[in-house]
Amino acid sequence: QKEVEQNSGPLSVPEGAIASLNCTYSDRVSQSFFWYRQYSGKSPELIMSIYSNGDKEDGRFTAQLNKASQYVSLLIRDSQPSDSATYLCAVNMLSDSFQKLVFGTGTRLLVSP
Amino acid sequence: DGGITQSPKYLFRKEGQNVTLSCEQNLNHDAMYWYRQDPGQGLRLIYYSQIVNDFQKGDIAEGYSVSREKKESFPLTVTSAQKNPTAFYLCASSPLAGRGRMRPYEQYFGPGTRLTVT
Repeated sequence: QKEVEQNSGPLSVPEGAIASLNCTYSDRVSQSFFWYRQYSGKSPELIMSIYSNGDKEDGRFTAQLNKASQYVSLLIRDSQPSDSATYLCAVNMLSDSFQKLVFGTGTRLLVSP
Repeated sequence: DGGITQSPKYLFRKEGQNVTLSCEQNLNHDAMYWYRQDPGQGLRLIYYSQIVNDFQKGDIAEGYSVSREKKESFPLTVTSAQKNPTAFYLCASSPLAGRGRMRPYEQYFGPGTRLTVT
């Protein structure tokens, strides 16, 4: 089982719709969860961090965390073509007394005009 | 402006040559990291450092070496022993837990260096 799993996509949504990106993780004691956006050929950009169960909203983005189900999601409201990118889920995990981030392979999002 | 810089953006080398990738940050972060990204794969951790003059191997350290002589700098050397060096290399930094108001573990990435070895 992969430590952090994401559907590779592509997830295709029309402009103005809600895009829902999902991520599951294997380590029950993880406490910190992150979403990164990566445009083609560019480096990842941190867009959301979430540490507690529930929802966290920032502009058009909402991160949702359910630690009991080991599930974290990212909702993008009013999707724009400029949101087309790969979204990486990252989870902190303890390894040899070091808190490292483990990344999923990403979900590619395509927003059509 | 605070941030992370990597140079060069593109690098071409012949097989058998060592090459050093630069990473500098002025975010006052304690921890720095090197990842590689291959098409269709997630980020894989090569080396990390939590403090000056100390660094640890990540998941795929074979064929790589690093140094951390200054807090701001964490260069990566790709040696001729690395079997498949062609990749996109990403440097990141983060604060550590308990350091002031900064969020722990939030990693911020530099623009990356795309290395091609032929």
